[in-house]
Amino acid sequence: GQQVMQIPQYQHVQEGEDFTTYCNSSTTLSNIQWYKQRPGGHPVFLIQLVKSGEVKKQKRLTFQFGEAKKNSSLHITATQTTDVGTYFCAGPRSNYQLIWGAGTKLIIKP
Amino acid sequence: DGGITQSPKYLFRKEGQNVTLSCEQNLNHDAMYWYRQDPGQGLRLIYYSQIVNDFQKGDIAEGYSVSREKKESFPLTVTSAQKNPTAFYLCASNRNGGGQETQYFGPGTRLLVL
Repeated sequence: GQQVMQIPQYQHVQEGEDFTTYCNSSTTLSNIQWYKQRPGGHPVFLIQLVKSGEVKKQKRLTFQFGEAKKNSSLHITATQTTDVGTYFCAGPRSNYQLIWGAGTKLIIKP
Repeated sequence: DGGITQSPKYLFRKEGQNVTLSCEQNLNHDAMYWYRQDPGQGLRLIYYSQIVNDFQKGDIAEGYSVSREKKESFPLTVTSAQKNPTAFYLCASNRNGGGQETQYFGPGTRLLVL
């Protein structure tokens, strides 16, 4: 069946270093969404990408959607403590469902 | 103030007991969802409802039941048939259930087995 794989599972960085998470789908996606879940919190929508090759930026966050619309990435430049959390990608599985990646947990080293 | 509320925040279940988790939204959304999240894992769909009086099983519906008698409410019952219910339960909604749409989440309920 359709799968969405997300790597890495964890990434430890020093504050100020960059962070990247990658999302790969087994099927072509009409769109991909990214969410952030702070520790102890609930997922919050960040962005949706729709077009092949699309790149969107939100301050220090850069989101890309691959040309084949099967992969996506989120890159954070110069991480801050406020970036800590788990980042999820999700794509449509049917008209009424999303299929979720397992998430990448961003951990800032003390 | 629009949003999704879930209660309680923490819930304890004894062996053999059924418990019900509440989810209410005032966003006027047609579609509502229940997810289960285990530590270090993603979200797995339990049930979803596109419209009042209709709901569909997700990937892990066994041991759970739902109802959708009102647009605003989508309670989840964890039955005694669910042998490993300890998890974080998240309710979500969106306008009409399309896979193109953002999902809005409630704060979640943590269920623990005594």
